[in-house]
Amino acid sequence: NAGVTQTPKFRVLKTGQSMTLLCAQDMNHEYMYWYRQDPGMGLRLIHYSVGEGTTAKGEVPDGYNVSRLKKQNFLLGLESAAPSQTSVYFCASSYGGGRETQYFGPGTRLLVL
Amino acid sequence: DAKTTQPTSMDCAEGRAANLPCNHSTISGNEYVYWYRQIHSQGPQYIIHGLKNNETNEMASLIITEDRKSSTLILPHATLRDTAVYYCIALRAGGTSYGKLTFGQGTILTVHP
Repeated sequence: NAGVTQTPKFRVLKTGQSMTLLCAQDMNHEYMYWYRQDPGMGLRLIHYSVGEGTTAKGEVPDGYNVSRLKKQNFLLGLESAAPSQTSVYFCASSYGGGRETQYFGPGTRLLVL
Repeated sequence: DAKTTQPTSMDCAEGRAANLPCNHSTISGNEYVYWYRQIHSQGPQYIIHGLKNNETNEMASLIITEDRKSSTLILPHATLRDTAVYYCIALRAGGTSYGKLTFGQGTILTVHP
């Protein structure tokens, strides 16, 4: 099992460009999450999904969109990147919600110039 | 979820046991103690969790005091690869419907040769 994988590992964007981050999990988990992590800020939840075809906003959803067309994939989109979106992005998945153990991917480092 | 308090940093010699304390004096009866860690430049990793009984798995042991106001994570034979930030969090059973994780500052554990 690969667990949770993220693509790409690193990306540099110019302000205004768009991109999509891909998260894939092979554990048949229902729940998937996108977090961002900035120095001194800890993890912050951007969007999450409780099942295929469903998505919901987390703490910091502005500037991002997500889609969960297939159970194993969770996509995070930036339509018009801004320097404030420079961060490390982590995807996670879990069997259920609440206090279920979350399994994280290796992260995507995004630099917006 | 109850607030947790951890020391900012700790050192441990390779091969020795690393004992990481966590204070959660306001924890309620239905809140579990969870430990995650984050090795530099990697995604967070689940370690162990418990409610009131001591727990052990292949990675670590968790000792919870009888009054549940504090706990200790024990890495029995620390290696250099255990150098990481360790997070102790309290999560309610059935807590938030989507299971958002909120990490505090954690403890930076440095294992030295």
